[in-house]
Amino acid sequence: GENVGLHLPTLSVQEGDNSIINCAYSNSASDYFIWYKQESGKGPQFIIDIRSNMDKRQGQRVTVLLNKTVKHLSLQIAATQPGDSAVYFCAENRGRNYQLIWGAGTKLIIKP
Amino acid sequence: DGGITQSPKYLFRKEGQNVTLSCEQNLNHDAMYWYRQDPGQGLRLIYYSQIVNDFQKGDIAEGYSVSREKKESFPLTVTSAQKNPTAFYLCASSPYPNSGNTIYFGEGSWLTVV
Repeated sequence: GENVGLHLPTLSVQEGDNSIINCAYSNSASDYFIWYKQESGKGPQFIIDIRSNMDKRQGQRVTVLLNKTVKHLSLQIAATQPGDSAVYFCAENRGRNYQLIWGAGTKLIIKP
Repeated sequence: DGGITQSPKYLFRKEGQNVTLSCEQNLNHDAMYWYRQDPGQGLRLIYYSQIVNDFQKGDIAEGYSVSREKKESFPLTVTSAQKNPTAFYLCASSPYPNSGNTIYFGEGSWLTVV
């Protein structure tokens, strides 16, 4: 798997600032993308998703941007709070195999 | 409440023993999945099932076995053939195994070899 043996990159952000977490995907045929949040010792929770016919989608305090030209996905979290501390995973669906392909994850640390 | 229930939350296994992790969902989802997560790393797919009485190997199936006799249940057995089973195991489900479906996770089970 793509994420085997990798240790998580870390992003440190000041409380109240905006966070931007990035993810690159490799397959231009992927048509569905999801961001998950995983708190320590828990299962991942769905945050937001986007389909390949969209460039941007907004949720509550979160925005996902999709750039198909460079195969890049980002998650923006506005006014970061201590409760946002977690590992964030992107996942892509390549359609045919009915499975999600997971990114390596990014650990978000909030500085007080 | 609807959801995915994994049990036990913590499990200790002696070397050479088989252990079974339970996963039950009452979401009426067709597809179910088992992932393994090692500390500080991402998710790796062990097995998945798209429908009752059918399952497929994922990326790291060696040393594991599953069954899908009921729609609601997808137990994972970690066999003695799995040489390094200490990890966090996550069960998940999705409504149907087609493109564009979000999958939902249980709370995970910690397995430690002693």
